[in-house]
Amino acid sequence: SQQGEEDPQALSIQEGENATMNCSYKTSINNLQWYRQNSGRGLVHLILIRSNEREKHSGRLRVTLDTSKKSSSLLITASRAADTASYFCAFSGSARQLTFGSGTQLTVLP
Amino acid sequence: EADIYQTPRYLVIGTGKKITLECSQTMGHDKMYWYQQDPGMELHLIHYSYGVNSTEKGDLSSESTVSRIRTEHFPLTLESARPSHTSQYLCASSEGGTKETQYFGPGTRLLVL
Repeated sequence: SQQGEEDPQALSIQEGENATMNCSYKTSINNLQWYRQNSGRGLVHLILIRSNEREKHSGRLRVTLDTSKKSSSLLITASRAADTASYFCAFSGSARQLTFGSGTQLTVLP
Repeated sequence: EADIYQTPRYLVIGTGKKITLECSQTMGHDKMYWYQQDPGMELHLIHYSYGVNSTEKGDLSSESTVSRIRTEHFPLTLESARPSHTSQYLCASSEGGTKETQYFGPGTRLLVL
């Protein structure tokens, strides 16, 4: 399958804790993106990391990319109840279309 | 919030009916996309367009069709809806070139009885 795989499938943490989600892919990529989806809504772009970058930060988000292992991770620090959502990685290859991962359902308990 | 709109948000319809899902964006983006997503699952690309009069099928085979007569408008049509078409349909757009971030509409939840 060309789809990305994410783990864990579901994650439940307490408010204030950090959440880490992982994404693996099989092809060569130009960039990898992370999106967030609230229940029943469209996706919202969070962050993009290019294939020549190893780490990127945006507010409470930290993304790493290891092209040798074909994997990426998304870290959300000091989580809040409002962070509860599904998180998807998506990667772009030579076709410049996005292939989405299977998603991680994050629940942050107050 | 992105300037991309989808109507209707919810649609319940009987088998055999023709339906059109609307998608419009006001950002002047050249590229537009339709994805199909079952609850809790990944997104599958079913159609995309790189500009006016350009449409292509995506990775997931779909009985739907699309048109791109105007830059801002990318409707999806099912000639004869079936229960297997029940899903959420998400429309997205991107600027094109090296700008690969996609902006998504709120989605249309379709239920075919």
